Amino acid sequence: SQQGEEDPQALSIQEGENATMNCSYKTSINNLQWYRQNSGRGLVHLILIRSNEREKHSGRLRVTLDTSKKSSSLLITASRAADTASYFCATGGGGADGLTFGKGTHLIIQP
Amino acid sequence: DTGVSQDPRHKITKRGQNVTFRCDPISEHNRLYWYRQTLGQGPEFLTYFQNEAQLEKSRLLSDRFSAERPKGSFSTLEIQRTEQGDSAMYLCASSFPDRDPYEQYFGPGTRLTVT
Repeated sequence: SQQGEEDPQALSIQEGENATMNCSYKTSINNLQWYRQNSGRGLVHLILIRSNEREKHSGRLRVTLDTSKKSSSLLITASRAADTASYFCATGGGGADGLTFGKGTHLIIQP
Repeated sequence: DTGVSQDPRHKITKRGQNVTFRCDPISEHNRLYWYRQTLGQGPEFLTYFQNEAQLEKSRLLSDRFSAERPKGSFSTLEIQRTEQGDSAMYLCASSFPDRDPYEQYFGPGTRLTVT
């Protein structure tokens, strides 16, 4: 079963604009991660935010976490065509439970 | 290339046939995971190895599925008597918890099509 739900399911923006994706999850977490998947490929880890953190930055990425609302957001600033991909939030992964992914947001950057 | 590798990348098989996939994790990674991903969905956890020991299996892993990691290095996932519902991308991931207990490194996946 899927732990989280990303919103929107699909997003199309112009190159240079900012893209925001949201993720909601159901159970208590130790951390939340975001992964990117280019079409037909494996997933690439982008960023991890721990449950005691509210915001984290990595390059053009900004992640927020609101544990009271069980939600997270991923902001990609100054988008590029190469950012076109599916983005997934994931929880767990610290051991035998594996990662639990949402359904993903498909992001299209129009040149 | 020192990333996670999977073989084959694509497999087309007829219903009822057996298939086997291989995953080679990053060399120092002692944890290995298998996931299944269907079109338009996120990956779903199947099973997990710590070294050669299989420590967890999802309910998704029916009796027709078996996974091994005989020497704690590469792993194989076998599906017996394939069904059309087995068509999916099978992803392998590995991790090294001594450095980062949560981040997983994914391979490119094996896309299975059952006709």
